[in-house]
Amino acid sequence: QSALTQPASVSGSPGQSITISCTGTSSDVGSYNLVSWYQQHPGKAPKLMIYEGSKRPSGVSNRFSGSKSGNTASLTISGLQAEDEADYYCCSYAGSSTYVVFGGGTKLTVL
Amino acid sequence: EVQLVESGGGLVQPGGSLRLSCAASGFTVSSNYMSWVRQAPGKGLEWVSVIYSGGSTYYADSVKGRFTISRHNSKNTLYLQMNSLRAEDTAVYYCARGVVITTIPVAFDIWGQGTMVTVSS
Repeated sequence: QSALTQPASVSGSPGQSITISCTGTSSDVGSYNLVSWYQQHPGKAPKLMIYEGSKRPSGVSNRFSGSKSGNTASLTISGLQAEDEADYYCCSYAGSSTYVVFGGGTKLTVL
Repeated sequence: EVQLVESGGGLVQPGGSLRLSCAASGFTVSSNYMSWVRQAPGKGLEWVSVIYSGGSTYYADSVKGRFTISRHNSKNTLYLQMNSLRAEDTAVYYCARGVVITTIPVAFDIWGQGTMVTVSS
């Protein structure tokens, strides 16, 4: 069982928006604004999409955005495109003993 | 080009050992916070270990006492020595460069392509 809870799957049609949630606890997501999100296509390495909750690395489309409320972080993808179909993972700092925890991943299907 | 290339994976028997390597280019391993992250077949990501630029190391409870992270500065290479391997260690192992604020990890911004480790008799 992963430390952070994500829905197993979400889906949307091209052009629509979807949101993926990532629920942790007051020891990780709730205590730090240090949630990152990764996109992983089949057989490929993860790619950083969002860091520090809402910041985008250079080169990542502004269709990707992040937010946080309490113990839950969210990734929103607007204007869905076929190439967005992938697995998405959230990650959070969890203190000096546990260090880093990942979510179980969410499979995004573009219908 | 900033790049990480892992090697050293393979098939090993339970109880055996394996050393993974991660060669970096385009940046200096010893000046960065470097981690290993693994992914069991069909499963999610699991953080394994980190080595800070200052040399401090940390491990997930699942590998503590069995795995050792290290680096060779002149070869600009990260290593993961894995001993007493178990079936549940079977996974693709990725090395990743971390972004930190002081000593707190923010994200993993550069990932290698991964190397597969299979523990089976």
